[in-house]
Amino acid sequence: DSGVTQTPKHLITATGQRVTLRCSPRSGDLSVYWYQQSLDQGLQFLIHYYNGEERAKGNILERFSAQQFPDLHSELNLSSLELGDSALYFCASRGRTGELFFGEGSRLTVL
Amino acid sequence: QQQVKQSPQSLIVQKGGISIINCAYENTAFDYFPWYQQFPGKGPALLIAIRPDVSEKKEGRFTISFNKSAKQFSLHIMDSQPGDSATYFCAQLGVNTDKLIFGTGTRLQVFP
Repeated sequence: DSGVTQTPKHLITATGQRVTLRCSPRSGDLSVYWYQQSLDQGLQFLIHYYNGEERAKGNILERFSAQQFPDLHSELNLSSLELGDSALYFCASRGRTGELFFGEGSRLTVL
Repeated sequence: QQQVKQSPQSLIVQKGGISIINCAYENTAFDYFPWYQQFPGKGPALLIAIRPDVSEKKEGRFTISFNKSAKQFSLHIMDSQPGDSATYFCAQLGVNTDKLIFGTGTRLQVFP
């Protein structure tokens, strides 16, 4: 158990819909990273927050947004969903040594 | 998006053999090179990591070799075991950035 909690574990929705994925980092970690993992794309970096502030952005689509709240949990919002958004979405928090600790992911299926 | 080039895409090794996975990077502005291991249905977990000021790091059966001039680093798994069957990702973290960029992954299968 990495200590990073992600909900929901599985989500099935239709095209055009909006979903929110939630992540709670390890106790004491201020950083939250979001990654998208699909079969042919590996682990794609989406965005990084540190103590509530956005610190780095990857190829995150404009339809996607994220935020980190004062209690340090983070939410990734995906809107106007398309079939190609079906993927595993991982959240990770970063420890003091620089290691990323990953949650078990949220599997999104868009039908 | 900038990526680390990883090879091979898949690897089949006999139990007791050596598994070797290679990664090449383009940008030299990175100072942390970890390897992550991912089992099906689980998130990636840190296996071993190296900084470019050393050429090799060994932890048990796992060794990272780093070749700064060639901009390459590799993971060697000695005495490979069926329990090592997983997907392995190399990654790199930029200097003064917070982006950890992953390679495309290598699916390792170790047969008894």
